Amino acid sequence: GAGVSQTPSNKVTEKGKYVELRCDPISGHTALYWYRQSLGQGPEFLIYFQGTGAADDSGLPNDRFFAVRPEGSVSTLKIQRTERGDSAVYLCASSLGTSGDNEQFFGPGTRLTVL
Amino acid sequence: KQEVTQIPAALSVPEGENLVLNCSFTDSAIYNLQWFRQDPGKGLTSLLLIQSSQREQTSGRLNASLDKSSGRSTLYIAASQPGDSATYLCAVGDYKLSFGAGTTVTVRA
Repeated sequence: GAGVSQTPSNKVTEKGKYVELRCDPISGHTALYWYRQSLGQGPEFLIYFQGTGAADDSGLPNDRFFAVRPEGSVSTLKIQRTERGDSAVYLCASSLGTSGDNEQFFGPGTRLTVL
Repeated sequence: KQEVTQIPAALSVPEGENLVLNCSFTDSAIYNLQWFRQDPGKGLTSLLLIQSSQREQTSGRLNASLDKSSGRSTLYIAASQPGDSATYLCAVGDYKLSFGAGTTVTVRA
């Protein structure tokens, strides 16, 4: 497809388990972003990739959260030892990544529920 | 830290009325401002991007203005339709976007 895709659309897990969330950006977009959205709130920035490297991971809440983008395209957000407070919608976005034109395009999100 | 505020949190208007949505931000040294639409249970759809050197952008019935000196942006939607019912979010930043909590709009038929 032409847009950003995310899998799975829904993930239910138990407290303490490990989860992986996947993002496929728009073809040709060098920049990729992860955000987290809690109910009734706007998205909060987690991490930004330019190519394969994490250019800014200042939004990751703690060291249980990690993200990779090994080939500069698909990205995986990994959460270890999940906690109930991790329940949220995880959104991925991509952009051309060029200065002055950084319009971000979002995927449909993955709804994570930690029981 | 950039703080983004959207007031009101919710708005209900009859079909055909023009919509005016407000966004304010604390740090005027912004790079871009982007308006999004979010339908229930869905991701964000980009509506308009205003670069920091621009004052406004238009797309169809939508017009967004940016006043960096006062830390404000306004999204105008002309001749509203029931299909415009959604939550509208504004966000500011370069690569790291700071979002408001959104304004939920209901257009009554």
